[in-house]
Amino acid sequence: DAGVTQSPTHLIKTRGQQVTLRCSPKSGHDTVSWYQQALGQGPQFIFQYYEEEERQRGNFPDRFSGHQFPNYSSELNVNALLLGDSALYLCASSLVVAADTQYFGPGTRLTVL
Amino acid sequence: KNQVEQSPQSLIILEGKNCTLQCNYTVSPFSNLRWYKQDTGRGPVSLTIMTFSENTKSNGRYTATLDADTKQSSLHITASQLSDSASYICVVKGQLSFGAGTTVTVRA
Repeated sequence: DAGVTQSPTHLIKTRGQQVTLRCSPKSGHDTVSWYQQALGQGPQFIFQYYEEEERQRGNFPDRFSGHQFPNYSSELNVNALLLGDSALYLCASSLVVAADTQYFGPGTRLTVL
Repeated sequence: KNQVEQSPQSLIILEGKNCTLQCNYTVSPFSNLRWYKQDTGRGPVSLTIMTFSENTKSNGRYTATLDADTKQSSLHITASQLSDSASYICVVKGQLSFGAGTTVTVRA
């Protein structure tokens, strides 16, 4: 039973570029949440997708957008990258009926130069 | 403002010793509190979850306590092992709020 997987593992971009991060949820899960974790900080909630729609959103600008596909996998897109976007981006999956129980992926380490 | 404060920021302990991590929160309304363990370069893994009515919850050598009146929680690690070296994150749900974590380093 595969857990939550994320790709790529590491990514280096320059300011102003755009990036797409990918997440496959744990088998059987239908809800995907994205978090940004800066070095030495706890994760910050970006948004959550269920039934291919954004259901909740944290305090992040519109430069951060996402998508969920019919197979429940998800993408996080960040436009016009800033140096401050450098962080570990975590994906967590859950069942909408058991949203308290989230399983985290290993994360994608994004470095913006 | 919903906040979760963890202390200490980091600590170093010798293998076999015990330690206690603290979490104070102001999240309201309160639904539950989780402790996660995050190994370096990995995603967080849930250790314990407690609701309002639960005072203590154990998971092997990890024991979490909750005082909902004072809005404080602790995570006690007994007989620490080298594999306990990680960041421990307190997460409070009402408005989902993450603490910054405590980095624990266990040395032989």
